[in-house]
Amino acid sequence: GAGVSQSPSNKVTEKGKDVELRCDPISGHTALYWYRQSLGQGLEFLIYFQGNSAPDKSGLPSDRFSAERTGGSVSTLTIQRTQQEDSAVYLCASTAKVSTNTGELFFGEGSRLTVL
Amino acid sequence: AQSVSQHNHHVILSEAASLELGCNYSYGGTVNLFWYVQYPGQHLQLLLKYFSGDPLVKGIKGFEAEFIKSKFSFNLRKPSVQWSDTAEYFCAVNPSGNTGKLIFGQGTTLQVKP
Repeated sequence: GAGVSQSPSNKVTEKGKDVELRCDPISGHTALYWYRQSLGQGLEFLIYFQGNSAPDKSGLPSDRFSAERTGGSVSTLTIQRTQQEDSAVYLCASTAKVSTNTGELFFGEGSRLTVL
Repeated sequence: AQSVSQHNHHVILSEAASLELGCNYSYGGTVNLFWYVQYPGQHLQLLLKYFSGDPLVKGIKGFEAEFIKSKFSFNLRKPSVQWSDTAEYFCAVNPSGNTGKLIFGQGTTLQVKP
């Protein structure tokens, strides 16, 4: 597609349930990122995929969070046993070029997660 | 800890006022610097970036930013703001050698009164 697509745009779930958030990056982009945006907290890096390399998972806040990227394209962020503090907007971004001079990230609209 | 700090969390200005939003980072060595903007109801988009060369960088919509290496700063400026500049502004740093991870500041909400 023309841009980064994320789904669902809004998700309300009960505490303890598992959720999956999907990201479809711009076609041909090799790098994919997940960030979390909480009120007053800015953008928190979660995980980063680059081609076939092992992902950088250094930002995942706990082992309840995981992500995969199938076929170098679509990515799914999974949050198990959701907690209220997981409520946030989860942003996905992709970029075509990754090097020491990283280019512009293209962001999706985000998935707003509310845990009751 | 390595970080990106934005000093102003919420700025309110009248139209035609001048704007300066502060950004400091704590990474040593060569860095790549960015400002992103998020207009109400829209996704994040790039405003401007600095990789090397002239430390005064010009971006879209009349924005500019100055990289001052000695101060570890990359402040965003605009001489005369418009109501349409109302948005949230994020400074971001990519520490060179770190393959792609962008570290963002907390963001500054700018409200421009007509």
